[in-house]
Amino acid sequence: QKEVEQNSGPLSVPEGAIASLNCTYSDRGSQSFFWYRQYSGKSPELIMFIYSNGDKEDGRFTAQLNKASQYVSLLIRDSQPSDSATYLCARKDSNYQLIWGAGTKLIIKP
Amino acid sequence: GAVVSQHPSWVICKSGTSVKIECRSLDFQATTMFWYRQFPKQSLMLMATSNEGSKATYEQGVEKDKFLINHASLTLSTLTVTSAHPEDSSFFICSASETADRPQHFGDGTRLSIL
Repeated sequence: QKEVEQNSGPLSVPEGAIASLNCTYSDRGSQSFFWYRQYSGKSPELIMFIYSNGDKEDGRFTAQLNKASQYVSLLIRDSQPSDSATYLCARKDSNYQLIWGAGTKLIIKP
Repeated sequence: GAVVSQHPSWVICKSGTSVKIECRSLDFQATTMFWYRQFPKQSLMLMATSNEGSKATYEQGVEKDKFLINHASLTLSTLTVTSAHPEDSSFFICSASETADRPQHFGDGTRLSIL
């Protein structure tokens, strides 16, 4: 079992709709979680980080963390074609290294 | 804030050449920097963790003598690919964080092509 699991997609969402990206993890001791966006051929860009249970909102992005169920999600409201990218979920391990999911490819259709 | 600059962005050189890649945190001090490698359509692979003033910690399977890492200051880490060969061609990306528990911010990456 992978430590951080994501559906590889592609996830296709119409422009203007809400894109919902999900991630599960196996280590119950995990404390910090991160969502990165990576465009093809580019380096990852930090979108959100979340440490506490519940929701955290930043503009069109909302990260949700449920430690009891061991999942973290990212919602993108009013999806734009420029949001089309691979979204990487990651958690920090006890050595503060990032443990990465394989990424979900998101396609926003105009 | 939290800008990481990586230079150069693209290198093409002959086999046997050594190539140095710089990673700088521009607006914060980075106690920890990380070096990753990524092949097309694959996940990021952590190569090493670099702490300022100490030796880098390399991941299993990464050759220390091939990939030399120096983290001499709180704003600069360098990766030197020594005697590069075509199989070393890859996308190298650095990241930095203010402290180990803070988010990692990534540089733009360096695309290395060895002829």
